[in-house]
Amino acid sequence: GAVVSQHPSRVICKSGTSVKIECRSLDFQATTMFWYRQFPKQSLMLMATSNEGSKATYEQGVEKDKFLINHASLTLSTLTVTSAHPEDSSFYICSARGRLDRGTTDTQYFGPGTRLTVL
Amino acid sequence: AQTVTQSQPEMSVQEAETVTLSCTYDTSESNYYLFWYKQPPSRQMILVIRQEAYKQQNATENRFSVNFQKAAKSFSLKISDSQLGDTAMYFCAFETSGSRLTFGEGTQLTVNP
Repeated sequence: GAVVSQHPSRVICKSGTSVKIECRSLDFQATTMFWYRQFPKQSLMLMATSNEGSKATYEQGVEKDKFLINHASLTLSTLTVTSAHPEDSSFYICSARGRLDRGTTDTQYFGPGTRLTVL
Repeated sequence: AQTVTQSQPEMSVQEAETVTLSCTYDTSESNYYLFWYKQPPSRQMILVIRQEAYKQQNATENRFSVNFQKAAKSFSLKISDSQLGDTAMYFCAFETSGSRLTFGEGTQLTVNP
């Protein structure tokens, strides 16, 4: 079964509004979560790394005031796209690093993604 | 900086046959991890196989196996007895301990009936 959930799976919003995407680790505690953006037929582009209880680390070229990340607990991280515009339309994927069982190594588990369409 | 290169944007294979996807990487690190992820049309990223760099033995997972050549910095994925459900985008990825994943550009694999 899924170990990382993302909500919503699809969202359509008007230009200028804000959209919040939630990422939850279901079976483990994740000290680190990652947010990616993916354009059609392209690879995943890391936007930011989110650590529980501290500020997110953004990749070069990603506007931190545009893409607000909150990692409030060991199982929840949120990405808020503020004042969304059509060019923000994309597929957003989160991942959570952790281990499902003791004795196993940390692994990144991915959420199912969120398709954002800004009209 | 680490880089991952997948030189085959697209590949196709007949059902039940074997296909190999190529991946090379560049790093100055000595301890790292390599992965192959599968992204089917649903776009859910699925871990196919992982390899620890310190292990000489190639990882295998059922029909999936890797050919890890550390000196050549090569990490290819072999899929045996290809099935229609193997049709997906495959990403090679690299990670040093505790750091982020670096992905290749991906290879779109199509399994034909």
